[in-house]
Amino acid sequence: GENVEQHPSTLSVQEGDSAVIKCTYSDSASNYFPWYKQELGKRPQLIIDIRSNVGEKKDQRIAVTLNKTAKHFSLHITETQPEDSAVYFCAAVRTDKLIFGTGTRLQVFP
Amino acid sequence: ETGVTQTPRHLVMGMTNKKSLKCEQHLGHNAMYWYKQSAKKPLELMFVYSLEERVENNSVPSRFSPECPNSSHLFLHLHTLQPEDSALYLCASSQDRARGGYTFGSGTRLTVV
Repeated sequence: GENVEQHPSTLSVQEGDSAVIKCTYSDSASNYFPWYKQELGKRPQLIIDIRSNVGEKKDQRIAVTLNKTAKHFSLHITETQPEDSAVYFCAAVRTDKLIFGTGTRLQVFP
Repeated sequence: ETGVTQTPRHLVMGMTNKKSLKCEQHLGHNAMYWYKQSAKKPLELMFVYSLEERVENNSVPSRFSPECPNSSHLFLHLHTLQPEDSALYLCASSQDRARGGYTFGSGTRLTVV
């Protein structure tokens, strides 16, 4: 089955800096890779996703890159703001199952 | 509200109690899921329902019993739970199983005493 590893588990950055979170997956048949943001006490919310036929996708300050050969994908947040502080989960979907990474706690200090 | 509603938000139950968690989605989705979120662990998929039919049971103990009476409602019946079952239980739905784009409910914070 699919296994998703996520690093780092915690990340602290200064406001305005960039943050990068990396995930690797094991099943080459996985074809959809969403990223979720979960603020304290709230539900996970989809912030960006990428499909296997695309190498990069950007939405304002957030971007995701996918390297199918190496089976890894990354979330990039530029010009970080305190409201970006949350736990971020990557996930990989193969056919019908969404498998999550272990999460990264991002703290953005003013 | 995102269209997926879970009740109750918080639940404290004894190990001999029987309770149920409820999930309702108003998005017209065809697939619904139960996930368990424990501290320092990834979100664990428990059950998958597609068009009201259970299509996956990820080795979940029988003390958790799901029910999907229609495509809009999903229940998780709980009985004789253990303290280690304390966690946040999240319901999610998607248009279909293959497309992703899951929408999560706010979860039920369950404490077993």
